Amino acid sequence: GQQVMQIPQYQHVQEGEDFTTYCNSSTTLSNIQWYKQRPGGHPVFLIQLVKSGEVKKQKRLTFQFGEAKKNSSLHITATQTTDVGTYFCAGPSTDKLIFGTGTRLQVFP
Amino acid sequence: DTGVSQNPRHKITKRGQNVTFRCDPISEHNRLYWYRQTLGQGPEFLTYFQNEAQLEKSRLLSDRFSAERPKGSFSTLEIQRTEQGDSAMYLCASSRTAYWGEVYEKLFFGSGTQLSVL
Repeated sequence: GQQVMQIPQYQHVQEGEDFTTYCNSSTTLSNIQWYKQRPGGHPVFLIQLVKSGEVKKQKRLTFQFGEAKKNSSLHITATQTTDVGTYFCAGPSTDKLIFGTGTRLQVFP
Repeated sequence: DTGVSQNPRHKITKRGQNVTFRCDPISEHNRLYWYRQTLGQGPEFLTYFQNEAQLEKSRLLSDRFSAERPKGSFSTLEIQRTEQGDSAMYLCASSRTAYWGEVYEKLFFGSGTQLSVL
């Protein structure tokens, strides 16, 4: 079945440093979503990418969908302590979302 | 929009007991999903409903698991004869539908039920 992997599994950064997580799917995706889960919380939708090569920005967050629509990335510029959490990508498979393994971000002040 | 509600928040049970969780989705949402999440992992798909119809169940899901969504409103997830390997966070999510053109509807998650099987 479809698998969605993310790297790295875990990253800790100093506040103000940049952070990137990469998402790779075993199959071509029609679109991809990103979610954030704060410690002790539940996943919350961030954004969806649909077009090949699409780039979207949300303040300090930049999301990119690969040309082949099999990979995606999330880049955070100048991290803040509020960015702490686990970031998941998710792609549709038939009629449900398959979530990636997640990247846990820790930010030290 | 009152959000997706799940209860109980925590459930501790002994191995072999049955447990039941409840999920109340956002009222106008047709789709309801159950996921399971263990520490350090992403949500793992269990099953989903379109209104009252259960349309797919994960092949990895044991026969001890059953879910219902009577009248297309709230849903229950029951685990019979619990095992220690069932310990996990059980997340419910809802959405209006699945696809809207090319766009896949975003999921709204509840706070989950943390199950501990002793």
